[in-house]
Amino acid sequence: DAKTTQPPSMDCAEGRAANLPCNHSTISGNEYVYWYRQIHSQGPQYIIHGLKNNETNEMASLIITEDRKSSTLILPHATLRDTAVYYCLRSSTTSGGSYIPTFGRGTSLIVHP
Amino acid sequence: DTAVSQTPKYLVTQMGNDKSIKCEQNLGHDTMYWYKQDSKKFLKIMFSYNNKELIINETVPNRFSPKSPDKAHLNLHINSLELGDSAVYFCASRKTGNGELFFGEGSRLTVL
Repeated sequence: DAKTTQPPSMDCAEGRAANLPCNHSTISGNEYVYWYRQIHSQGPQYIIHGLKNNETNEMASLIITEDRKSSTLILPHATLRDTAVYYCLRSSTTSGGSYIPTFGRGTSLIVHP
Repeated sequence: DTAVSQTPKYLVTQMGNDKSIKCEQNLGHDTMYWYKQDSKKFLKIMFSYNNKELIINETVPNRFSPKSPDKAHLNLHINSLELGDSAVYFCASRKTGNGELFFGEGSRLTVL
């Protein structure tokens, strides 16, 4: 159980911002939110992660709500190469403290010309 | 240099055979994983190894046996292959703590 909820699909026009939401309403205080994407059948690729504060890197921005129950991944200027499945994960742990990176179904983002 | 490499990339075999997929990472990570992605594209975790110790086995049939000779390698051996084992298998690694996962390119297994 990924314990995150994402829309199954979204589309975006090339050059526009793509805003991908994720719900993680049961997230605990020490759990991070991670985002990955999988282009076609390649291995998933790390994008960004955060705990409380908004984060930005060369790939994307991550906005986390103040109550931490949801987050949004923003691709500021989407290109055709951003067409991929985007996964939102929590850094949930077993009772023994082991981190289980569990993937849900993700959001299939299609960027069109 | 490829950070996480898997071999072979493609594997076609008959039912009942035994096969292995190898994974190596040169990132100095101490935790490695195997994932299975089936035709419906669901990415399911199979195993996790931390410092050569198995810490997760997510109800995987015992025909699947991971072997970690050292921290940089996590191989997957599959006995008595079945049609349902056809999938893409991904190896991944991370540094213990809140580090991100690094994935290999995947190994596509087809069982006929």
